[in-house]
Amino acid sequence: AQSVTQLGSHVSVSEGALVLLRCNYSSSVPPYLFWYVQYPNQGLQLLLKYTSAATLVKGINGFEAEFKKSETSFHLTKPSAHMSDAAEYFCALKAAGNKLTFGGGTRVLVKP
Amino acid sequence: KAGVTQTPRYLIKTRGQQVTLSCSPISGHRSVSWYQQTPGQGLQFLFEYFSETQRNKGNFPGRFSGRQFSNSRSEMNVSTLELGDSALYLCASSSGTGGLNFEAFFGQGTRLTVV
Repeated sequence: AQSVTQLGSHVSVSEGALVLLRCNYSSSVPPYLFWYVQYPNQGLQLLLKYTSAATLVKGINGFEAEFKKSETSFHLTKPSAHMSDAAEYFCALKAAGNKLTFGGGTRVLVKP
Repeated sequence: KAGVTQTPRYLIKTRGQQVTLSCSPISGHRSVSWYQQTPGQGLQFLFEYFSETQRNKGNFPGRFSGRQFSNSRSEMNVSTLELGDSALYLCASSSGTGGLNFEAFFGQGTRLTVV
């Protein structure tokens, strides 16, 4: 069975500070991993994806994530938070088929 | 190119009624998946359709059903609505071929409120 755990349902950061969102996964097969962002009353927008190529993945809006198989982790980072980064972020795993398994989400608050 | 279109955006229904939601995928995409998003349960997979066939199904009761048409547009239906069915229903479109190029593109969702 596959599962995704996001540590911390809420994260508060100051504008300009590092954003770190944690994601751990469990999968019986090599996973594809994704980070999505959701703004209020909107759908999900893909930030970045890992599909077994480079372990450090760069995405849109300055975000990046590193796949660490030994730690079964795929943490999302951004060096400097911007007010527009305030949103909810979801880590997701795709094993077989096109089904995505999502973590519980982390809501990011950016303080001026 | 146009994104994933879900209609309607908002819907209010009464318990016991049924509802149909629609999703038009990105042109050329043959796979459509549906997800339910609630504050308590988060994002949960409902089902996936590929070339008019249900290819995968989540753990939801039989009141939840779907179909896909030859033009890849998909509908999902919920019968005998319950208060707990209030949620944001998201549709995701992908090429369906999987592999390293897999990406799922989401619509803006349909917000269903059951009263």
